[in-house]
Amino acid sequence: EVQLLESGGGLVQPGGSLRLSCAASEFTFSNYAMSWVRQAPGKGLEWVSSLSGSGGSTYYADSVKGRFTISRDNSKNTLYLQMNSLRAEDSAVYYCAKNRGYSSSEALDYWGQGTLVTVSS
Amino acid sequence: DIQMTQSPSSLSASVGDRVTITCRASQGVTNYLAWYQQKPGKVPKLLIYAASTLQSGVPSRFSGSGSGTDFTLTISSLQPEDVATYYCQKYNSAPRTFGQGTKVEIK
Repeated sequence: EVQLLESGGGLVQPGGSLRLSCAASEFTFSNYAMSWVRQAPGKGLEWVSSLSGSGGSTYYADSVKGRFTISRDNSKNTLYLQMNSLRAEDSAVYYCAKNRGYSSSEALDYWGQGTLVTVSS
Repeated sequence: DIQMTQSPSSLSASVGDRVTITCRASQGVTNYLAWYQQKPGKVPKLLIYAASTLQSGVPSRFSGSGSGTDFTLTISSLQPEDVATYYCQKYNSAPRTFGQGTKVEIK
């Protein structure tokens, strides 16, 4: 069974940085695009970022463009999200999700349990 | 950017009822449309992709239809375990926007 385990969340001050990680297992990681989706408390789902299986193509929501960087290490089966210049509105549970195919133009068929990011002074 | 609008925002129906949720895209997305179910306190789960293809393991009472700008998720006979919020998502290109969600409750 596909497993996705996020880590790295926590409390950070406005303007600070965090790096989220997502350890993947039980599938050939490099064959699939991966994504980050967030959900603020009591709110809906917001797509954040995606990248292709090779990591060569990356995509961002306008709300995070220029502040967040998605990356992957296929040798470690791990997805990352570097988050800089954090704002209160970035507070959310961040989910790592596997795309159905190599391209990020695929639905998200497996999701991690999420990691909570709280931006507050 | 393409906006995804779901309706209704919430609904209450009886067990056994047929339930329909609609999702409208502000521009065409061909069939790059997925539906997800999120039960209270749980992780989202893929129900349908490519507008009408049922994800493996999803009960057959769930179905999807549509193409272009107008899409529908139908639950043919609502069950207590279907209490959840349902989201559509377009994924043809960035931003891969979700609808605002439809909360389904049992009457």
